[in-house]
Amino acid sequence: QKEVEQNSGPLSVPEGAIASLNCTYSDRGSQSFFWYRQYSGKSPELIMSIYSNGDKEDGRFTAQLNKASQYVSLLIRDSQPSDSATYLCAVNSGSGNTGKLIFGQGTTLQVKP
Amino acid sequence: GAGVSQSPSNKVTEKGKDVELRCDPISGHTALYWYRQSLGQGLEFLIYFQGNSAPDKSGLPSDRFSAERTGGSVSTLTIQRTQQEDSAVYLCASSLGWGKETQYFGPGTRLLVL
Repeated sequence: QKEVEQNSGPLSVPEGAIASLNCTYSDRGSQSFFWYRQYSGKSPELIMSIYSNGDKEDGRFTAQLNKASQYVSLLIRDSQPSDSATYLCAVNSGSGNTGKLIFGQGTTLQVKP
Repeated sequence: GAGVSQSPSNKVTEKGKDVELRCDPISGHTALYWYRQSLGQGLEFLIYFQGNSAPDKSGLPSDRFSAERTGGSVSTLTIQRTQQEDSAVYLCASSLGWGKETQYFGPGTRLLVL
């Protein structure tokens, strides 16, 4: 079992719709969770970080964390073509909270005009 | 302010040659991380530094890979006797501290081993 799992997609949604990206992780000791966006040929850029169970909203983005289910998700409301990218879920390696991030393979999102 | 910078942006080398990749973190960031991303793959953790020390080298793929950091700033990742499977994008990130701190990525070095 991979440490951080994401559906590779592509996930295709029409412009204006809600895109839902999901991620599961195996290390129950993990304490920090991140969503990065990566455009083709570019480096990852941080979208959201979340540390506590529940929802965290920032503009059109909402991150949801459920530690009991070892599940973290990202919702993108009012999806725009410019949101088309690969979204990487990253989980802090739980051992000693070292800052070592374990990344999922990423989900490719396509927002169609 | 200035972000994480990496050099060179692209490197083409012949199998068996040594290469050095450089990372200059955001000023004031004490933690520095190296990752590798192969074509179509996720990011693979290589090593991280807290100050000049590297508490976790577990991700280095082989003893051909080494890294150092001096003065708590610039870091160099060295790959000796490069192999074709070393071809990838090497990404550096830095964070203010370690643990929960957000990591900010540089533009990466694209390495191609012929």
